[in-house]
Formats: sequence, structure tokens, C-alpha cells
Amino acid sequence: QLQLQESGPGLVKPSETLSLTCTVSGGSISSSSYYWGWIRQPPGKGLEWIGSIYYSGSTYYNPSLKSRVTISVDTSKNQFSLKLSSVTAADTAVYYCARHPELGDAFDIWGQGTMVTVSS
Amino acid sequence: DIQMTQSPSSLSASVGDRVTITCQASQDISNYLNWYQQKPGKAPKLLIYDASNLETGVPSRFSGSGSGTDFTFTISSLQPEDIATYYCQQYDNLPMYTFGQGTKLEIK
Repeated sequence: QLQLQESGPGLVKPSETLSLTCTVSGGSISSSSYYWGWIRQPPGKGLEWIGSIYYSGSTYYNPSLKSRVTISVDTSKNQFSLKLSSVTAADTAVYYCARHPELGDAFDIWGQGTMVTVSS
Repeated sequence: DIQMTQSPSSLSASVGDRVTITCQASQDISNYLNWYQQKPGKAPKLLIYDASNLETGVPSRFSGSGSGTDFTFTISSLQPEDIATYYCQQYDNLPMYTFGQGTKLEIK
């Protein structure tokens, strides 16, 4: 059974770069033609798609975050990662990683989420 | 950008009631509309994909309908374990995924 698990620092200082990793277990990140995405949710608010990556490395970003976001994949470690630069308090959120079979498909498997707070 | 309007933002209903949530897109999105359930402190769970298809393992009391700009999510008989926040989510060819504002469902 495929599982996703987010990891990374829970506290990031303003203006620094937020870095998170999603580890995929129970299957290979590159064995099937899936997309892997990041979604975030500020405390008490709704969900926001950050971006997605194809197992081959093609990336797709939310235009509102595109200038600050980098998503990469490491097939040797069965992981994909998120970097969000120049963070502010507005980037404080629970960050989820999730899978979607095709671009346009629903997010069918999610990680449990990890809380990241931006504060000095 | 395509805007999603989900309503109502909150809803109180009794066990056994039929519950309906709507989602309206500002442009035609065909059937690129999905519905998720999120319980407090948990990740969202996919319930309905492509507007009307029930995800494997999801109880049949959940259903979805619609295409184009107007979509409906229905719980035919509300159960206590259905207390959660429900989100619609659309995809356009930008590419861009957008979630609705959410509907918080409570037991009356």
C-alpha cells in the first residue's frame, strides 16, 4: 500500500527558504507514470495547490507562487522535495504531499501533513 | 483564472438528513471537479472524482453530479462520522488546481 510521508523543519525564519521532503513507500516513485504534488493549508483556512512534478522531472507550479517555488524529484531515494524561498508569516501552514495519476486528475493519496511555522 | 464558489460555507443537519453542497466555476471546466472530505487534524480524503465517480471504498451515500460550471455533492443520509469539512477542487489547463472555500458540516 503506497504511503507518503512529509519531513522537514517545523520552524523557518522569515526571508529564509522552507525545505520539505516527501518520502514515498510501498511503491516506486518512478515505476508508474504518476505526478507528485504539494498542497498547503494555513491554520483555519482552505487548501492551496503549490505545484506538481512528473516522475521524469517536468514541473508545474501555481502561478501565484511560481517565482519562489522549486519542486524536484530524487528517484534513487524515492523522494520528491519542495523549496519555497523568501518566506513570510503568510507561508505558515500545514504542508501536504500527494499523488495524482495524471495532470488534471484528483489527488488520490495524501501524506499526513507537516506544520511549518515562519517566525523569528 | 477560474474562480470556484462553494456554498454554503457551513451547514447544520440531523442524522439521516439529505445534505447538498454546491460548487460553481466561473468558466466551463467540463468534468474536472473533485470532492474531498477533511476531518480535523487529518489530510483531505478523496471521495468523488471527475464530478460523479465514487472513489474506491467510499460509501455509496456520497455522490456527485454536474458538468460545465455547476456541480453538486450529496450525502443521501447523513451519518455521525460524516462530520467534516468538504472541499470541491477544479483543474484547468493553465495548469492550475483550485480548491473551493470549504463547507463545514455539523450535526444539529
